[in-house]
Amino acid sequence: EVQLVESGGGLVQPGRSLRLSCAASGFTFDDYAMHWVRQAPGKGLEWVSSISWNSGRIGYADSVKGRFTISRDNAENSLFLQMNSLRAEDTALYYCAKDIGSDGDYSWFDLWGQGTLVTVSS
Amino acid sequence: EIVMTQSPATLSVSPGERATLSCRASQSVSSRLAWYQQKPGQAPRLLINGASTRATGIPARFSGSGSVTEFTLTISSLQSEDFAVYYCQQYNHWPRTFGQGTKLEIK
Repeated sequence: EVQLVESGGGLVQPGRSLRLSCAASGFTFDDYAMHWVRQAPGKGLEWVSSISWNSGRIGYADSVKGRFTISRDNAENSLFLQMNSLRAEDTALYYCAKDIGSDGDYSWFDLWGQGTLVTVSS
Repeated sequence: EIVMTQSPATLSVSPGERATLSCRASQSVSSRLAWYQQKPGQAPRLLINGASTRATGIPARFSGSGSVTEFTLTISSLQSEDFAVYYCQQYNHWPRTFGQGTKLEIK
């Protein structure tokens, strides 16, 4: 079955760190770029970060640049998001999403996981 | 950053009727526009890419149109399972940006 399964979310204090994971199955993971997209409670979708198939191209939203780091392990079919210096406004459901292409250029997301909830609160 | 504006925020339509959702980009995105459907407690699902190409398995009652800055998602003859939130997203520029969503509710 083609699927993405996120994990690693939880309750964390402001200023602390958290690492999210996304396990991919059912497709050739290292053929595709991958993304993180988040959704604050009751709000819309916000793209967070992208990584190309070989990690050669990486991008971040301005809201997380310098605090979050995206990475992938193609041998383990896994995507990661290291989140440092967390803020209350980072509270959201974090989805990983598969790109239809390898480098993420001019391409859309054709598969989404169910998300993992990150709550930043003291 | 490209700002995507969807209208209306909420659309009330009766089952069996047609729904028309709009999406406007703050500058040209060519035809690099996708539509996603999100039901409560579920992940978004791709409906349309390239402004008008239905994704695999999407029923023919869903159709997309438009280019440059003005786009439309039309759902003909609404079924009960179509009531959800719909998002447009441009993929012509970085950062990728989404509209704020249109909630399609039963009238």
